[in-house]
Amino acid sequence: DQQVKQNSPSLSVQEGRISILNCDYTNSMFDYFLWYKKYPAEGPTFLISISSIKDKNEDGRFTVFLNKSAKHLSLHIVPSQPGDSAVYFCAASNSGGSNYKLTFGKGTLLTVNP
Amino acid sequence: NAGVTQTPKFQVLKTGQSMTLQCAQDMNHEYMSWYRQDPGMGLRLIHYSVGAGITDQGEVPNGYNVSRSTTEDFPLRLLSAAPSQTSVYFCASRQRESYEQYFGPGTRLTVT
Repeated sequence: DQQVKQNSPSLSVQEGRISILNCDYTNSMFDYFLWYKKYPAEGPTFLISISSIKDKNEDGRFTVFLNKSAKHLSLHIVPSQPGDSAVYFCAASNSGGSNYKLTFGKGTLLTVNP
Repeated sequence: NAGVTQTPKFQVLKTGQSMTLQCAQDMNHEYMSWYRQDPGMGLRLIHYSVGAGITDQGEVPNGYNVSRSTTEDFPLRLLSAAPSQTSVYFCASRQRESYEQYFGPGTRLTVT
């Protein structure tokens, strides 16, 4: 039973355009969401997060949108750069649950073409 | 700060062998976790610890043992390696009241 779903295994965009990565969740108890970025042969690194009390959080070129009623969040990267090419993992947590454990999606491989 | 360090980077084991994957962090984080990453499976939690002397099972704990004798170290032991344990293993740590985890560079393990 997959509680965090990233239904697109891969996404390819042109440099300078917008990248939109999507994530759906099924557990209504999740109230905090994070995006991690992973380059090959490295560990994941934290990118951006959002609490369920917000519907948008922005950090430079990265914006995360949360639609609680649809149990859907998305990561927007504008403008996309070749260095953004990586695997992006969506993760979710329940702050009232067990020790802020994160549940990860399977990841989306983003390729930004020059 | 070195952050989260993991050794070794690569390891090949034969079925039935045992080994320990090392993980250390120098950020004085209370919480530490072990994940495995398999193709098409994302990151799955193996074991975690909320402080020295306290450990608990994650999503896929079978075949693995952990202990936490100090705040800094959180080794993962494979008792009798199986081909199904071929994976990339990541250690992570975080502060108590934070969701943000810091990951190590990973150990790529192959069991033949």
